[in-house]
Amino acid sequence: EEQLVQSGAEVKKPGESLKISCQGSGYNSTKYWIGWVRQKPGKGLEWMALLYPADSDTRYSPSFQGQVTMSLDKSVSTAYLQWSSLKASDTAIYYCARLKGGYPFGYFDIWGRGTLVTVSS
Amino acid sequence: DIHMTQSPSSLSASVGDRVIITCQASQDIDTHSNWYQQKPGQAPKLLIYDASNLETGVSSRFSGSGSGTHFTLTISRLQPEDIATYYCQQCDYLPYTFGGGTKVEIK
Repeated sequence: EEQLVQSGAEVKKPGESLKISCQGSGYNSTKYWIGWVRQKPGKGLEWMALLYPADSDTRYSPSFQGQVTMSLDKSVSTAYLQWSSLKASDTAIYYCARLKGGYPFGYFDIWGRGTLVTVSS
Repeated sequence: DIHMTQSPSSLSASVGDRVIITCQASQDIDTHSNWYQQKPGQAPKLLIYDASNLETGVSSRFSGSGSGTHFTLTISRLQPEDIATYYCQQCDYLPYTFGGGTKVEIK
C-alpha cells in the first residue's frame, strides 16, 4: 500500500526547535515530489514547500521561505520539516503529501495523517 | 500569487440534492486545478485533478469542470457521507494556492 507516515504530535515552547518527519512507503519515493501543507486550527490549507527526492531540489512558498527548512534522508525515504525557533503562530496541523502528475502541474494524491504541532508557553 | 475565490463558503442541502461549488482563479490557469475533500479530523483527500479527471476510487457522484478562470465541483446526489469541507487548488504556478473552502452540511 502506498502511504505516507508522519511523526507524532509535538508540544513545544516558543523559541524551541523542532523537526517533524514523513516517511513514504509502498512506492518509489525518488520519483515523486513531496510537499508540506499547513492547516491552522479551524482554517484552510496553505502550501508550504516541495522537495524532489531524486536531487533534493526544493521550492518554498514565499510565505514560508526562511521560516522553515525542508530536507530529505533518501536512505530511509523520509522527508523532514524543521523550525529553528518556533512561534505560537506555528501552532497547526502539518500534512505531507505526494505530488503526482509531474511538477508543477501535479496534484496531491496521497496525504499523511498530519502532525499536530502546538507551541505554547 | 494566484488567488482562488471559492463559493459559497458553506451550504446546507438535502440528501439527494445536486450541489455545485465554484472556484474563480485570479488569472488564467488553463485546467490546472484540483479538488479535495476534507472530513472532520481527517487529512484532505483528492477528488478531481486537472479540472475534470476523477481520481481512482472516488464516487462517480463527483465531477469537475472548467478551464481558464472558472471551475466547478458538482456532487450529483448528495449523500450523508459527503459531509465535509471541499477545497479547490491551483497548480499552474508556484506558490500553489487553495480556495478558502466550502463546508457542506445536510439539511
